[in-house]
Parts: sequence; structure tokens; C-alpha cells
Amino acid sequence: DGGITQSPKYLFRKEGQNVTLSCEQNLNHDAMYWYRQDPGQGLRLIYYSQIVNDFQKGDIAEGYSVSREKKESFPLTVTSAQKNPTAFYLCASISTGTGSLQPQHFGDGTRLSIL
Amino acid sequence: GEDVEQSLFLSVREGDSSVINCTYTDSSSTYLYWYKQEPGAGLQLLTYIFSNMDMKQDQRLTVLLNKKDKHLSLRIADTQTGDSAIYFCAESRGSARQLTFGSGTQLTVLP
Repeated sequence: DGGITQSPKYLFRKEGQNVTLSCEQNLNHDAMYWYRQDPGQGLRLIYYSQIVNDFQKGDIAEGYSVSREKKESFPLTVTSAQKNPTAFYLCASISTGTGSLQPQHFGDGTRLSIL
Repeated sequence: GEDVEQSLFLSVREGDSSVINCTYTDSSSTYLYWYKQEPGAGLQLLTYIFSNMDMKQDQRLTVLLNKKDKHLSLRIADTQTGDSAIYFCAESRGSARQLTFGSGTQLTVLP
């Protein structure tokens, strides 16, 4: 079955450490997105990528980095510069072809906590 | 402004109808979505409506869109305990179809 796979489900970060969250999709979708969810709040956009080797900052990109070397993969690195990384991270993808009415599909999320 | 607003909590009795409301500010939004999130899980798409439509019905779900007032609602008929979850409305804008989310409405279904 096609879908979006995020790993790991739970992740712990030590002070000063960078950690990378994985997001893989086999839906042949062009665009991929990373969102952050804090308790009692909606999702906020961190980064997005419409094509391979290109990505743009979202509303809260500071302290994060991404890469898009392959169409199916869009890993997110939470750097030590992100001072409040504890949150639920969600990856999404969409086909952006002409005439496409596909909404964003979401993975099951990664919960990141500070040790 | 680019805010999407929802009330935070809603409680209903099992078997009653639930109505979750949402207001948005960007009149150029093309699609408006309703997502459901259960505890510890990702977002599940429930339904969506194109901005030139007024209503969309899908089994127990009815979406109403008042474009003049920028108001979106989701009605769940015959609400069941399994409907207890957080419901997010979201609007899609731009060529990259970025989503802007509301803060979510926690729906509690009482027996």
C-alpha cells in the first residue's frame, strides 16, 4: 500500500545534539512538507519542497534544516540551535500535477523530547 | 491576516449531531479541509471542499462553506464515541499548496 512513513516514532535529544527525523513516501508525490505541532495548537509549517534539490522555508524554519536529494525522501534535522524542540513532528506530501485535486497526506508523526 | 480560528472544545451526547465551526481570513484560498487527529496519531483527512462550492456531503459528514463570511463548518450526524478526537480545519493557498491550520477543536462524545 502507498503511504508516508515517518521514523522513529519517538526520539530523544540531548543538549547540543542534532537529530534527524526521517520521512519517506511511495506515493510518487512531488511536494513534501514538515509541520510542527505543539499541545493545544495547530500545525505550523517548518519547511517544504516542491521538487528534488529545492526547498523553501516555512513559518518557523529557524533551528531546522532539510534536504531533498530524492523524490521520495525529505529528512528533517533538528539542530542544536532549536532551543525548544520538544513537539510532535508531522510530514506530509501531495501531488501537484495540473488538474490534481489531491489533498495532503500525512505520516503518523515523530514525537521528539529533550533528555 | 492569515489566521484560521476554531473553538477549542465541543461536547455532545452520543447520537446527537456535532457542528464544528471555523473561520478563515484569506479569500484566495482554493481548498478548505477538515482533518481528524486521534491521540498520538497523525492527521486523517475527513473531507475537503473547493472554494467555489457551498456544500459537500459525504455519508455522516456535511461541510458548509459561506465564502462571504469566510466561515466553514463540519457537521457530523449521529455522533459516535469513536468520533471523539481533535478536528482541524485548514486552508490551502499558493502554488505549493501550503496548509494553514486552525488550533483544532477537541470533540468529546458523551455516552
